[in-house]
Amino acid sequence: DAGITQSPRHKVTETGTPVTLRCHQTENHRYMYWYRQDPGHGLRLIHYSYGVKDTDKGEVSDGYSVSRSKTEDFLLTLESATSSQTSVYFCAISDLRNNYGYTFGSGTRLTVV
Amino acid sequence: TQLLEQSPQFLSIQEGENLTVYCNSSSVFSSLQWYRQEPGEGPVLLVTVVTGGEVKKLKRLTFQFGDARKDSSLHITAAQPGDTGLYLCAGPSSGTYKYIFGTGTRLKVLA
Repeated sequence: DAGITQSPRHKVTETGTPVTLRCHQTENHRYMYWYRQDPGHGLRLIHYSYGVKDTDKGEVSDGYSVSRSKTEDFLLTLESATSSQTSVYFCAISDLRNNYGYTFGSGTRLTVV
Repeated sequence: TQLLEQSPQFLSIQEGENLTVYCNSSSVFSSLQWYRQEPGEGPVLLVTVVTGGEVKKLKRLTFQFGDARKDSSLHITAAQPGDTGLYLCAGPSSGTYKYIFGTGTRLKVLA
C-alpha cells in the first residue's frame, strides 16, 4: 500500500470561492500529480511536482495552482471556483520502484454550484 | 501531440466469454501501462510493458505491446463479473514522467 490519501472525498462549493484539495503520501515519493477526470475527456493532467517547491503545469492548468512545501503534501487550489471545474480530482504518485507507474488516491468529487 | 485512442469505448459481455480491448497511437511510446478503475475509486496499475512485442500475463489477462511500440492490447480469457470496470491505457509524454491517458474502455461482465 503506497499510503496516499486525498481530502476531502466530497465537496460542494459555490462559484467564485477558493477551494483547496489535499494529497498526502507517506512513502517519500518524489513525483506527485494532480489529474481531473471528466466523461468524454478521460484523465487530464493539471499540475505535477518533481520535488519540494518544484512544480510545473500540465495540459489543463488554467484556474489552478499548486504548492508542495513538504515531500508528503501536494495541495491543489482552485483560485475562484467555476462550474467548469466540477469534476473528480485524482492525486497520483510515482517512482522508480514501480517503473514510474502511478499509484492513485481515491479521488475528490468536487461540485461547483 | 501524443494521443492514445482506446476501442471499443463500451463492451458488455456474458460471463465466460473472451474479449480484447485496444490502445492505439500514431506516436511511439517508450512504455505503456494498463489500469483498471472501479466506480468511486482511483485507477489501479495492472501492468507496464516496455519492450516492443512484449507479452505479459496476469492470471486471465494477457497484455501485448506492439512491435513498433505504438499500440497495445489487453485480452481477457473467460471474463468474470469481477473484471467489470474501466480499463485505461497510459504512456509517458516524450522524455517525461507525465503520463497521457486514453479515454478508456468501459467493460461490463454479466453473470
